[in-house]
Amino acid sequence: DAGVIQSPRHEVTEMGQEVTLRCKPISGHDYLFWYRQTMMRGLELLIYFNNNVPIDDSGMPEDRFSAKMPNASFSTLKIQPSEPRDSAVYFCASSPGPSGNQPQHFGDGTRLSIL
Amino acid sequence: GEDVEQSLFLSVREGDSSVINCTYTDSSSTYLYWYKQEPGAGLQLLTYIFSNMDMKQDQRLTVLLNKKDKHLSLRIADTQTGDSAIYFCAERGYSGGGADGLTFGKGTHLIIQP
Repeated sequence: DAGVIQSPRHEVTEMGQEVTLRCKPISGHDYLFWYRQTMMRGLELLIYFNNNVPIDDSGMPEDRFSAKMPNASFSTLKIQPSEPRDSAVYFCASSPGPSGNQPQHFGDGTRLSIL
Repeated sequence: GEDVEQSLFLSVREGDSSVINCTYTDSSSTYLYWYKQEPGAGLQLLTYIFSNMDMKQDQRLTVLLNKKDKHLSLRIADTQTGDSAIYFCAERGYSGGGADGLTFGKGTHLIIQP
């Protein structure tokens, strides 16, 4: 079975540019999560969706960040304009349901570098 | 707020057992997880435990949970070079009947000495 698929794997861009990260969850998983990983702060939850609806976006750092889930098989995380401090690894994860025994499965991440 | 603490590094000899420890503060945590991250890769789910259990074993992995002390450990028997990675402890809380995201520790770097 295909796991969570993220693209691109690596992104290098100049500050001020728009960045779009993409995620395809595991088919049949109703929950989708976006996390950010940095050396200083570790792994942080940014936002999560249930059935394509954003449930909790309290982790989104600023208005420069936005996330959408137009359908059950696709989500985007957009940063506009990007800044050097946004450099991090961004992970997408999905789970089949809300129960703890339906764990989250992670993609390989997008390593983002803002110059 | 929620907090998960782990030691940053653990060094063990190949063939020995590794014990990675974790403490958490959220008393409402119902499930606790261990993830493994190899360099340049995503997080791989290793195992998880429900808070009404105190032990779970899965091949070389043993998870021990002391709910009273809010302490979780992961024991890897017969540690191999392929076990070299960062190990994350995570908890999943619930609010309002819905599922929340995971709260992670900073991760423990497991270093294997030959």
